Amino acid sequence: AQSVTQLDSQVPVFEEAPVELRCNYSSSVSVYLFWYVQYPNQGLQLLLKYLSGSTLVKGINGFEAEFNKSQTSFHLRKPSVHISDTAEYFCAVITSGAGSYQLTFGKGTKLSVIP
Amino acid sequence: EPEVTQTPSHQVTQMGQEVILRCVPISNHLYFYWYRQILGQKVEFLVSFYNNEISEKSEIFDDQFSVERPDGSNFTLKIRSTKLEDSAMYFCASSDLSGQGRYEQYFGPGTRLTVT
Repeated sequence: AQSVTQLDSQVPVFEEAPVELRCNYSSSVSVYLFWYVQYPNQGLQLLLKYLSGSTLVKGINGFEAEFNKSQTSFHLRKPSVHISDTAEYFCAVITSGAGSYQLTFGKGTKLSVIP
Repeated sequence: EPEVTQTPSHQVTQMGQEVILRCVPISNHLYFYWYRQILGQKVEFLVSFYNNEISEKSEIFDDQFSVERPDGSNFTLKIRSTKLEDSAMYFCASSDLSGQGRYEQYFGPGTRLTVT
């Protein structure tokens, strides 16, 4: 069974500083990888996805992530955060080729941007 | 921009009562999902639905749960006899079937279910 580990439950960072939110998955098969963001009192919004091709993917709001197959990681980065980036971020996977579209989520990382 | 909507935003019910959570997926989407998030825990998959039948379901989705697409726009989750442990945020999602769109699930804002 798939599992997704987000190593940090909370990440405080000062405004305009860079941030990296870590995500590792456990799978011996190919996966599709996603980052979702949840702003307070809202649903989950897709930030970016990796399905195939370039291992560096760019998403909305200036975020990017890099797929590293050897390390089974898909860390999310932003070079300069804004107050509006304060939210909870979820990493998720789908096992490719299995005919399943079920998302398996990590526990989430709460990003707090400090003015 | 089209979005998934869910009603109600908050539902309070007594243990043993039936509840129906409603969702309106994006209009041209054909694949529908329910997920739940118990407070402080992961978002968990419950069920997926395509072509008027369940495609996949998790171990959580037992006989107390059912899903239905009663008309061309709504997608519902019914819990027949609620338990305290059913208290959670329930998210509906939808995706289309064209190419990579199959893997892009659009989520609604959620219904917070509180069982007392």
